[in-house]
Amino acid sequence: GAVVSQHPSRVICKSGTSVKIECRSLDFQATTMFWYRQFPKQSLMLMATSNEGSKATYEQGVEKDKFLINHASLTLSTLTVTSAHPEDSSFYICSARGATSGSADTQYFGPGTRLTVL
Amino acid sequence: GENVEQHPSTLSVQEGDSAVIKCTYSDSASNYFPWYKQELGKGPQLIIDIRSNVGEKKDQRIAVTLNKTAKHFSLHITETQPEDSAVYFCARGSNYKLTFGKGTLLTVNP
Repeated sequence: GAVVSQHPSRVICKSGTSVKIECRSLDFQATTMFWYRQFPKQSLMLMATSNEGSKATYEQGVEKDKFLINHASLTLSTLTVTSAHPEDSSFYICSARGATSGSADTQYFGPGTRLTVL
Repeated sequence: GENVEQHPSTLSVQEGDSAVIKCTYSDSASNYFPWYKQELGKGPQLIIDIRSNVGEKKDQRIAVTLNKTAKHFSLHITETQPEDSAVYFCARGSNYKLTFGKGTLLTVNP
């Protein structure tokens, strides 16, 4: 149990276009979903926290108008990178908490989405 | 949130030996300490976690110890195998948010 999926696994786009990434909890209803960003050989940096039906809470330094988060249901959150530029190229990973198999704090991660902006 | 210091950044061991990775934190509000294993190109996988009211937890070859007074916690892997090779991240949790260490690249040599 506690499986989180992401789609797509990798995407290449042109500079100036927008890209949507989906995060789904497959076998549990997620109380909260989180979006992280990871540059090569670096750690995970939290971008935003998302609760179903409410606005996402963004970490300091993360542009909310550039990284749009929609959390329409207890099993789906989407991250849209608007007007993407090469510096937005990164590995984007979502996580979800709320699975009964773990504690209230336990976050289960998706497999990640590799975004490359040309 | 405040940082988590993780050491060492790289660790190479022989198959069958033990591996220990240590993390320290400064935020006294931290009450949850998970460890994740990340293989190249994949998402992090939870391998073990501990809450602040427990000093030690073990799951087969993996154990975590927590010293809340000193604000440090450690991951212990015994009888290492080549498939244990990966990047390991510690994290501290507070109010359901995680702050990660910088990771340790573990290489287990056959």
